[in-house]
Amino acid sequence: GAGVSQSPRYKVAKRGQDVALRCDPISGHVSLFWYQQALGQGPEFLTYFQNEAQLDKSGLPSDRFFAERPEGSVSTLKIQRTQQEDSAVYLCASSSDRTLGSPLHFGNGTRLTVT
Amino acid sequence: EDQVTQSPEALRLQEGESSSLNCSYTVSGLRGLFWYRQDPGKGPEFLFTLYSAGEEKEKERLKATLTKKESFLHITAPKPEDSATYLCAVHSTQGGSEKLVFGKGTKLTVNP
Repeated sequence: GAGVSQSPRYKVAKRGQDVALRCDPISGHVSLFWYQQALGQGPEFLTYFQNEAQLDKSGLPSDRFFAERPEGSVSTLKIQRTQQEDSAVYLCASSSDRTLGSPLHFGNGTRLTVT
Repeated sequence: EDQVTQSPEALRLQEGESSSLNCSYTVSGLRGLFWYRQDPGKGPEFLFTLYSAGEEKEKERLKATLTKKESFLHITAPKPEDSATYLCAVHSTQGGSEKLVFGKGTKLTVNP
């Protein structure tokens, strides 16, 4: 079946612009995660949804970052007034399990470049 | 704070030259240690989950082992197609929810 799909694959934004990144998880997966991966670094946790409920947003770096999953499937990560330090790959992952008993399945990410 | 440290940062091997990657971790009550492989431009791909000290898992040329403080990913007779970044992560409940906390990864290059 289809894996986790993210769009766009690449996004170039001028500093100060707003961007929206989309994640289509594997159908039926209840858990959805967003991670940020800077060049040469491991993924850093941003936020976690269980169905439509955002249970943890402790990793969001500032109030410019906002995520939603209104119907418990597709999720959008929005970044307002982008800054150069926001340049990174944004990874989405989903799992069929509520407690990480099953592995996370990752998408191929959106590479955001802020100029 | 739950933490994962991987070493070395980068490793170059000749085809057939076996070696090991290290993952040291600090976590409040280990609920799972995960190994992922990441190819350039791709998302991490799941390899193994280990749950308790002494546990071992194997897949082709890879074997993962776990102690109370660290995990090793042993690569036997590697091939060029094993070249990738290998990420280690622990299951964390910091912040009130379940998440994976990743290390920075080891970039493995296998030369023919």
